[in-house]
Amino acid sequence: KQEVTQIPAALSVPEGENLVLNCSFTDSAIYNLQWFRQDPGKGLTSLLLIQSSQREQTSGRLNASLDKSSGRSTLYIAASQPGDSATYLCAAQSSGNTPLVFGKGTRLSVIA
Amino acid sequence: DAGITQSPRHKVTETGTPVTLRCHQTENHRYMYWYRQDPGHGLRLIHYSYGVKDTDKGEVSDGYSVSRSKTEDFLLTLESATSSQTSVYFCAIRGGASGGGEQFFGPGTRLTVL
Repeated sequence: KQEVTQIPAALSVPEGENLVLNCSFTDSAIYNLQWFRQDPGKGLTSLLLIQSSQREQTSGRLNASLDKSSGRSTLYIAASQPGDSATYLCAAQSSGNTPLVFGKGTRLSVIA
Repeated sequence: DAGITQSPRHKVTETGTPVTLRCHQTENHRYMYWYRQDPGHGLRLIHYSYGVKDTDKGEVSDGYSVSRSKTEDFLLTLESATSSQTSVYFCAIRGGASGGGEQFFGPGTRLTVL
């Protein structure tokens, strides 16, 4: 059974810092992995989807990597801004017709 | 933004009453999901659907039922609401021919059971 863990649960950084958010999963036979952002009181917004055949995906200041052999994905945020403050969740899918398994998220605070 | 809406957005009800939440999509996606989100528990899957009239249970399905009679609508029913079902409920849709596409979430419904 796939399990997804995100450590740390909370992170605080000064504005302008580059940072990495971690996501680990137990089943390396992963189909794809998706990163989401959630602002307080809001729904989840999709950030990046990485298929199992890919090593990384980029969108603006965000770069997500996938290492199936080690069971890890990272979300790199360059030049962080206060507007990046939110909870970031990763989710893994073991096959195309199975639901995503979510981590509990990392709550990021970027301090001006 | 993905075309996904939820109604109602907020609801207050009393213990023992039935409640139905609606999720509507305009993307013609095959896969639809209902989650609940609670502090300390994260996001938990209630039920999901992989086609019209095709549904399956998630990890917290007790006390909930679903129906999908059309591709665009996925209904979540609380048969007899309890205070433990006070939560924020999110609907999601997923594209891709075999369900491996990007997943998008609706804005959520905040349900309070008194």
